[in-house]
Amino acid sequence: QKEVEQNSGPLSVPEGAIASLNCTYSDRGSQSFFWYRQYSGKSPELIMSIYSNGDKEDGRFTAQLNKASQYVSLLIRDSQPSDSATYLCAVNGITGGGNKLTFGTGTQLKVEL
Amino acid sequence: SQTIHQWPATLVQPVGSPLSLECTVEGTSNPNLYWYRQAAGRGLQLLFYSVGIGQISSEVPQNLSASRPQDRQFILSSKKLLLSDSGFYLCAWSVIQGAQPQHFGDGTRLSIL
Repeated sequence: QKEVEQNSGPLSVPEGAIASLNCTYSDRGSQSFFWYRQYSGKSPELIMSIYSNGDKEDGRFTAQLNKASQYVSLLIRDSQPSDSATYLCAVNGITGGGNKLTFGTGTQLKVEL
Repeated sequence: SQTIHQWPATLVQPVGSPLSLECTVEGTSNPNLYWYRQAAGRGLQLLFYSVGIGQISSEVPQNLSASRPQDRQFILSSKKLLLSDSGFYLCAWSVIQGAQPQHFGDGTRLSIL
């Protein structure tokens, strides 16, 4: 069983629409949750961190966390072609804790003109 | 501000040759340091992490090794590369306090011939 699971996609949305990316995790003891954006051939870039249940907004991005259901999501409003990338969900607290992160395999997002 | 440098950006090596990849962090002290590998179209695999000078934890058995000779320097090595060592190698750092995100270098794309 995967510890952090994401739909691999591709998820295609039209420009200007809301893109919704989802992630589930297995360890109820997980404490912190991150979303990274990775353009093709580039390294992952941190875009959102969330630590408590509810929503956290930063510009066009909103992260949502539901610890009871063990899922975290990322909403991208007014999607732009420049948002086309793979989005990685990362969870802290699995596999021995400390500051190690467990990453999902990513969801590829394509924003179409 | 903190920056992380990783080199070289690309590397082509023959099977059986040695490897040395270097990563340095600036603007922070006593960071946690990490080496990941990302195979083509796959997720991030944690290879090694370090919480201090000379302290290395290996996550997966392999023919790679890591060293941390200085506080902000992390080196990934191999005595003899295998074809399966091809991939995108990423160095990352985080603050030592728990539940914080990791920040990635630009990566090294390693091709084994």
